[in-house]
Amino acid sequence: AQSVTQPDIHITVSEGASLELRCNYSYGATPYLFWYVQSPGQGLQLLLKYFSGDTLVQGIKGFEAEFKRSQSSFNLRKPSVHWSDAAEYFCAVLVGSYKLIFGSGTRLLVRP
Amino acid sequence: NAGVTQTPKFQVLKTGQSMTLQCAQDMNHEYMSWYRQDPGMGLRLIHYSVGAGITDQGEVPNGYNVSRSTTEDFPLRLLSAAPSQTSVYFCASSYQRTGELFFGEGSRLTVL
Repeated sequence: AQSVTQPDIHITVSEGASLELRCNYSYGATPYLFWYVQSPGQGLQLLLKYFSGDTLVQGIKGFEAEFKRSQSSFNLRKPSVHWSDAAEYFCAVLVGSYKLIFGSGTRLLVRP
Repeated sequence: NAGVTQTPKFQVLKTGQSMTLQCAQDMNHEYMSWYRQDPGMGLRLIHYSVGAGITDQGEVPNGYNVSRSTTEDFPLRLLSAAPSQTSVYFCASSYQRTGELFFGEGSRLTVL
């Protein structure tokens, strides 16, 4: 069955430090992968997506993610975190033509 | 351009009552969906639609009904609310096979 696992429920980093959020997926075919961000009280916003080609994809707000087929992973990274990055982050896989299956999310806290 | 509009933003129901969560999009998206978000569980797909007159079940459809009479609207009906349906509900839409969902701001439902 298709699934997405985000092993870290919470992550705390200091402002200016680097960030990596983990995501593992289970999907039989070539996956289409996504990262979404949710600020408090808001809906989700797309950060970046991977369909094919270059395994390192760039997104908005300085985020990037790397697709590693051998590890079934699609980890999200940012070299220097800003206080405004505090939010919940969701990894997702596209199933068929339309359906997105989401992970359980990772809440990012940023220390001043 | 309003995007995806959900109403109401907040609702309190008693067990057994019925209600409809409204969702409208003005982007001419063929795909619309309803998710519920619960702490630690991410977003789970309730129902989705790939066009007017076409709906299908997602991961957690029990207790919910949908219909899609127009491209723009996709209401979610709770026929007999239960405390287990206390959640935040998100409506989302997209073009085919992009995976880029546009989310509404959510509807917080409490069932007493």
